[in-house]
Amino acid sequence: NAGVTQTPKFQVLKTGQSMTLQCAQDMNHNSMYWYRQDPGMGLRLIYYSASEGTTDKGEVPNGYNVSRLNKREFSLRLESAAPSQTSVYFCASTAGNEQFFGPGTRLTVL
Amino acid sequence: GENVEQHPSTLSVQEGDSAVIKCTYSDSASNYFPWYKQELGKRPQLIIDIRSNVGEKKDQRIAVTLNKTAKHFSLHITETQPEDSAVYFCAASKRSGKVIFGPGTSLSVIP
Repeated sequence: NAGVTQTPKFQVLKTGQSMTLQCAQDMNHNSMYWYRQDPGMGLRLIYYSASEGTTDKGEVPNGYNVSRLNKREFSLRLESAAPSQTSVYFCASTAGNEQFFGPGTRLTVL
Repeated sequence: GENVEQHPSTLSVQEGDSAVIKCTYSDSASNYFPWYKQELGKRPQLIIDIRSNVGEKKDQRIAVTLNKTAKHFSLHITETQPEDSAVYFCAASKRSGKVIFGPGTSLSVIP
């Protein structure tokens, strides 16, 4: 079991560029999440998907879109990156209780 | 909106002493309260959790208490060790699946 995997591990973008962060889990979990982590602000929920075919906004959804491609995969897209989106992004999944996190993607927007 | 507050933001204790971190939540529909530990450069990992129908739970040196009426819950670490040094996050979630984290507490255990 790989658990929760994320790609890429690191990414540098220029302002206005677009990119998609990929997340996959092999634990047959229904729910998946995207968080961003900034110093002193903890983990802030961007979007979540309670089950395949559904997505909902979290605390900070502006500037992001998500796709729950199937039960395994949940991607996060930045259509036009801004310096304020420089952060570490974590994907997580759960079957109802404990959340299992991916290793994170460190994104820098210049 | 839904909110989880956490205090203190930083905590420094001598090895062997106890550490207490406190959280409050705003959404009375929350029914699950996990605590995560994040070491530097690593992903958060669950260390203990409590459900709304329980007032206290203990696992070796760590314990969590919940006061549903006051919407408070706390993490207690006894006999702290240097390897307990990390950032600790509390969180609150409900049946919809939405999880809200507190801003974190950076714990330093001084040998």
